[in-house]
Amino acid sequence: QVLLVESGGGVVQPARSLRLSCAASAFTFSSHAMHWVRQAPGKGLEWVGFISYDGSNIYYGDSVKGRFSISRDRSKNTLYLQMTSLRPEDTAIYYCARAGGYSLAYPLDSWGQGTLVTVSS
Amino acid sequence: EIVLTQSPGTLSLSPGERATLSCWASQSLTSRYLAWYQQKPGQAPRLLIYGASSRATGIPDRFSGSGSGTDFTLTINGLEPEDFAVYYCQQYDTSPNTFGQGTKLEIK
Repeated sequence: QVLLVESGGGVVQPARSLRLSCAASAFTFSSHAMHWVRQAPGKGLEWVGFISYDGSNIYYGDSVKGRFSISRDRSKNTLYLQMTSLRPEDTAIYYCARAGGYSLAYPLDSWGQGTLVTVSS
Repeated sequence: EIVLTQSPGTLSLSPGERATLSCWASQSLTSRYLAWYQQKPGQAPRLLIYGASSRATGIPDRFSGSGSGTDFTLTINGLEPEDFAVYYCQQYDTSPNTFGQGTKLEIK
């Protein structure tokens, strides 16, 4: 059974940085594109960004473009989200999700349980 | 950016009834790359429908999706108690991917 486990969340001050990790197991990580999706407290889902199966294509949502960076390590079966210049409005649960295939043209078929990031002074 | 608008915001129904949830896209999804997700409190979302009308693995057949272009529908026939949750549509046709704002299905 596909398992995605996020880590690295916590409380961080505005303008600081934080890196989230998503450990993947029980599937061939290198064959699937991956996404980050976030959800502010009591709000809906917001797409953060995407990385293709081989890391050659990376896309971001407008609200995080230029501040967040997505990467993946095939040897560690791990997805990363590097967040810089954090703002209070970045406070959310961050989910990693697996795409059903190698590109953007697949739905998000498995999700982690999320990690909470709180940006506050 | 493709904007998805879901209607209604809240739907109050009783177990056994049929639920009809709508999702409108601001631009045509020519490849029908439209998905539906269910989210229960304290849980991650779960994929229900992809490609506008294909059920994901393990999803009961009381869930069905339809539509094309800019107009999509999720139908749940014979509501079960566990179906009361929030439902989101998502387009994965273009970047940025976008989600609708959600429809809360509550027990009447």
